[in-house]
Amino acid sequence: DVKVTQSSRYLVKRTGEKVFLECVQDMDHENMFWYRQDPGLGLRLIYFSYDVKMKEKGDIPEGYSVSREKKERFSLILESASTNQTSMYLCASSPGQDKGEKLFFGSGTQLSVL
Amino acid sequence: DQQVKQNSPSLSVQEGRISILNCDYTNSMFDYFLWYKKYPAEGPTFLISISSIKDKNEDGRFTVFLNKSAKHLSLHIVPSQPGDSAVYFCAASAQTGANSKLTFGKGITLSVRP
Repeated sequence: DVKVTQSSRYLVKRTGEKVFLECVQDMDHENMFWYRQDPGLGLRLIYFSYDVKMKEKGDIPEGYSVSREKKERFSLILESASTNQTSMYLCASSPGQDKGEKLFFGSGTQLSVL
Repeated sequence: DQQVKQNSPSLSVQEGRISILNCDYTNSMFDYFLWYKKYPAEGPTFLISISSIKDKNEDGRFTVFLNKSAKHLSLHIVPSQPGDSAVYFCAASAQTGANSKLTFGKGITLSVRP
């Protein structure tokens, strides 16, 4: 089975801190994604990557950056955390070989910014 | 502008009865549709998908129907079980290339009463 591992289940940070959310997948997938889930807003795409060192903005990239130095690892960075970034963050990956393929999600990181 | 709409935020059904979860989309370029299920504090898991060349796909108790002319799809769960209680997300992609990203709806919370 595909395993997508997010380093932390829960994080509490202070406003202005730099925050790193780490995600690792073990199935040699080409594509990796970061979403956030908020009540009443569903899943919104922040950034995605189709290849190592490659990144593309999703629908809500403001306040975030990403890093993909290795194929299996995709990091989400909050340069200066703000309270409106309190959310559930979900990492996902997909093989990148077929059209319309499904995503495999990690368990999520619940981030609270105080 | 939300391209994938799940207009009903919640649904409650009796165990053993049918659950019908609806989803509408506005982007006529979408040609692949998926349903994901999410329990609290877990990542979404893939449930079932359908390509636009089909109008029905069935997998056990789960059936997805697609009406392209109406830009509408629905997920039927028969019979519903208490373990089906979760948030269900509809997602869509436009297969414009080998890699395509998913656009998600806001989700529907399904409660199955014993």
